[in-house]
Amino acid sequence: QKEVEQNSGPLSVPEGAIASLNCTYSDRGSQSFFWYRQYSGKSPELIMSIYSNGDKEDGRFTAQLNKASQYVSLLIRDSQPSDSATYLCAVYSSASKIIFGSGTRLSIRP
Amino acid sequence: DAGVIQSPRHEVTEMGQEVTLRCKPISGHDYLFWYRQTMMRGLELLIYFNNNVPIDDSGMPEDRFSAKMPNASFSTLKIQPSEPRDSAVYFCASSLESGRANIRTFGSGTRLTVV
Repeated sequence: QKEVEQNSGPLSVPEGAIASLNCTYSDRGSQSFFWYRQYSGKSPELIMSIYSNGDKEDGRFTAQLNKASQYVSLLIRDSQPSDSATYLCAVYSSASKIIFGSGTRLSIRP
Repeated sequence: DAGVIQSPRHEVTEMGQEVTLRCKPISGHDYLFWYRQTMMRGLELLIYFNNNVPIDDSGMPEDRFSAKMPNASFSTLKIQPSEPRDSAVYFCASSLESGRANIRTFGSGTRLTVV
């Protein structure tokens, strides 16, 4: 089992719809969770961080964390073509390391 | 702030040659990380430094890889000799130690091709 798992996609979502990206992790002692966006040929950039169970909203983005289920998700409302990218889930593990998932490729179709 | 600066942006080299990748972290950041990204393996941590001292190099694939941080503003990742399977994008990242929020800022990366 990978430490951080994501569906590689591609996930295709129509413009204006909600995109839902999911991530599961294996280390129950993990405390911090991050979503990075990576455009093709570019470096990852942090878009959301979440530390407590529940939802955290920032503009069109909502991160959801459920530690009991070891599950993190990212919702993107009113999806735009500019949201087309690979989204990397990252987990700060109990071993004091950030582990990245392999990423989900998201495509927003006009 | 100029961000994390990496050089070169692209490197094409022949198998067996030495390759040196360079990184300048954000001023004031105590942590520096070297990552490798490939389609097959995703983003892998190779090594990280805290206050210029290597803390964890368990991700370094082989003895052919070495990394140094002679001062707070400069780090190198060296591959000697290089092999085609080393072809990847190498990212440098830096961060402040701030409890659980170890947020990384990435450089633009070096795309290495070994032929």
